Amino acid sequence: QTVVTQEPSLTVSPGGTVTLTCASSSGTVTSGFHPNWFQQKPGQAPRALIYSTSNKHSWTPARFSGSLLGGKAALTLSGVQPEDEADYYCLLYFGVSWVFGGGTKLTVL
Amino acid sequence: QVQLQQSGPGLVKSSQTLSLTCDISGDSVSSNSAAWNWIRQSPSRGLEWLGRTYYRSRWYYEYAASVNSRITINADTSRNQFSLQLKSVTPEDTAVYYCARDDYSARVYRMDVWGEGTTVTVSS
Repeated sequence: QTVVTQEPSLTVSPGGTVTLTCASSSGTVTSGFHPNWFQQKPGQAPRALIYSTSNKHSWTPARFSGSLLGGKAALTLSGVQPEDEADYYCLLYFGVSWVFGGGTKLTVL
Repeated sequence: QVQLQQSGPGLVKSSQTLSLTCDISGDSVSSNSAAWNWIRQSPSRGLEWLGRTYYRSRWYYEYAASVNSRITINADTSRNQFSLQLKSVTPEDTAVYYCARDDYSARVYRMDVWGEGTTVTVSS
């Protein structure tokens, strides 16, 4: 069974930049895995941020961007705001199934 | 816009069947580009994709290996909804269950619409 791995936790200062990554135990993450990224705050359903590597939804703030970096999918937050403190999850498509990463808890401090 | 509204019991007894329904508004369960997913979240397992159904000239069903022997997802075109049945539940199946839409068009895949979540507790 494929495992998708994210950093368990990261800390960033307000106004700073942070990159979260998403790796697959099956190998290099490519655009064919259509990486999706979600933000989740306590008590809420996940909210979609990025789809198919780097595409933003109409509601996604400009400071969020997606890419492929060093064989992984990546989510970069530039100019971090206090309200960005949340859990972030990646999701990869494996042809007949989706697999979520374990999530990254982002602290803004 | 597309909205998903979940319904179903929040308490299920061990060995019984968990059943949830997701009503769709703003899209069709028979859409040629959308697929209809069930996902759950628990502290021990994180977010876990359970399976999906979609229509592309016929109905397709895809399930996670972890629940493949116990899960059924069905679509009801007359009610524009889809459902989850998970048989022989144990306390390990206690989780928040979400329905969600994914859509494949113009060579991009997005999972963009989620239900509000239903907390399901399995009592032993």
